[in-house]
Amino acid sequence: SQQGEEDPQALSIQEGENATMNCSYKTSINNLQWYRQNSGRGLVHLILIRSNEREKHSGRLRVTLDTSKKSSSLLITASRAADTASYFCATDAGLKTIFGAGTRLFVKA
Amino acid sequence: DTAVSQTPKYLVTQMGNDKSIKCEQNLGHDTMYWYKQDSKKFLKIMFSYNNKELIINETVPNRFSPKSPDKAHLNLHINSLELGDSAVYFCASSQGRAAAHYGYTFGSGTRLTVV
Repeated sequence: SQQGEEDPQALSIQEGENATMNCSYKTSINNLQWYRQNSGRGLVHLILIRSNEREKHSGRLRVTLDTSKKSSSLLITASRAADTASYFCATDAGLKTIFGAGTRLFVKA
Repeated sequence: DTAVSQTPKYLVTQMGNDKSIKCEQNLGHDTMYWYKQDSKKFLKIMFSYNNKELIINETVPNRFSPKSPDKAHLNLHINSLELGDSAVYFCASSQGRAAAHYGYTFGSGTRLTVV
């Protein structure tokens, strides 16, 4: 069964707008990670947020974590065409990491 | 100077054939993984090795056999290929035994097409 599920499945925005993607999970976690995958490429690690953290920033990325709601969000501010990619959340399950199905973001120039 | 490199990038083969995918990392990481990504983009772990020791062995057909000659290399051999094996296979590495604490570095993937 999937641990993390992203919402929406797909998102299309104009360049310069903000993009928000959400992730919900089912069981308690120690950490949650976000990854980006460009078409035909491997996943690239964006941010790791620990269960005792509520918010984390990296450049134009802002990640929040609400452990009471078992959810996380990834905000990309001032989006660019180069942000077009699939974004995945990943949660830990012992030695394993469980990935969601991803949100496909399309940023129109 | 690619961190995690896997070869080949594309692999087209007939049903019943045996094929191998190779992976190497130059990051000094202790743990390496094989993931399978299906056509709907679901990523599922297959195997994980920590310092040449198998630590994750998911329920995959025993036609799939990983092999780690040293901690910088993890290969995947697939026997008697079937149509359903068509997918993108990713190699990844991480520090420590649990990527949940440190994050993965992924290779660029091998797109396997079985015809």
